[in-house]
Amino acid sequence: SFDLTQPPSVSVSPGQTARIICSGDALPKHFAYWYQQKPGQAPVEVIYKDSERPSGIPERFSGSSSGTTVTLTISGVEAEDEADYYCQSVDSSGSFRVFGGGTKLTVL
Amino acid sequence: QVQLVESGGGWVKPGGSLRLSCVASGFTFSDYYMNWIRQVPGKGLEWISYISGSGSTIYYADSVKGRFTISRDNGKKSLYLQMNSLRAEDTAVYYCAREGSNAENFDYWGQGTLVTVSS
Repeated sequence: SFDLTQPPSVSVSPGQTARIICSGDALPKHFAYWYQQKPGQAPVEVIYKDSERPSGIPERFSGSSSGTTVTLTISGVEAEDEADYYCQSVDSSGSFRVFGGGTKLTVL
Repeated sequence: QVQLVESGGGWVKPGGSLRLSCVASGFTFSDYYMNWIRQVPGKGLEWISYISGSGSTIYYADSVKGRFTISRDNGKKSLYLQMNSLRAEDTAVYYCAREGSNAENFDYWGQGTLVTVSS
């Protein structure tokens, strides 16, 4: 099986930069994707193909990749960014989709 | 605009069956892979199945393989999940999601439908 590992929680103050790391052995071979989920809502994609931002997603959201880790960076965090964030990729065969365990971002 | 609307959730006893539906609008349904993803309340996301646009390619997570069946009706722009031999651990919100052009990610999600398996 293929696992993606995320920290359970990250806390930052408004205006600071939040970084959420996701690690997995297959990440050098496959793109990673990031989703934001607020309470009671469906997830929303905020980064695709490691670092691309869908239309409508604020520029403060960015993504990067290095080896077996990918990072979601939120610059100038706002209160509305408080949410759960999930990384996602595929296994080595490309057939199975996998999510990380999720990271709760708290804006202090 | 793209919309996905799930239905069919509810309460069922262990060992029972349930069929979820997802009706799509705002895009050419047959052009896209579709997925079912679930989330136990208060827990993380779990991908459980996808189906290609034609329905010829299907994959399941090990946790549901042999019990759940994904299918689609492109004429009705609908995705289905037949769930049999349900267990308490299948209790979750079930989302349908469209795969994006990369065919690896989920660019649109429905609002989810809650399935509760309990005696």
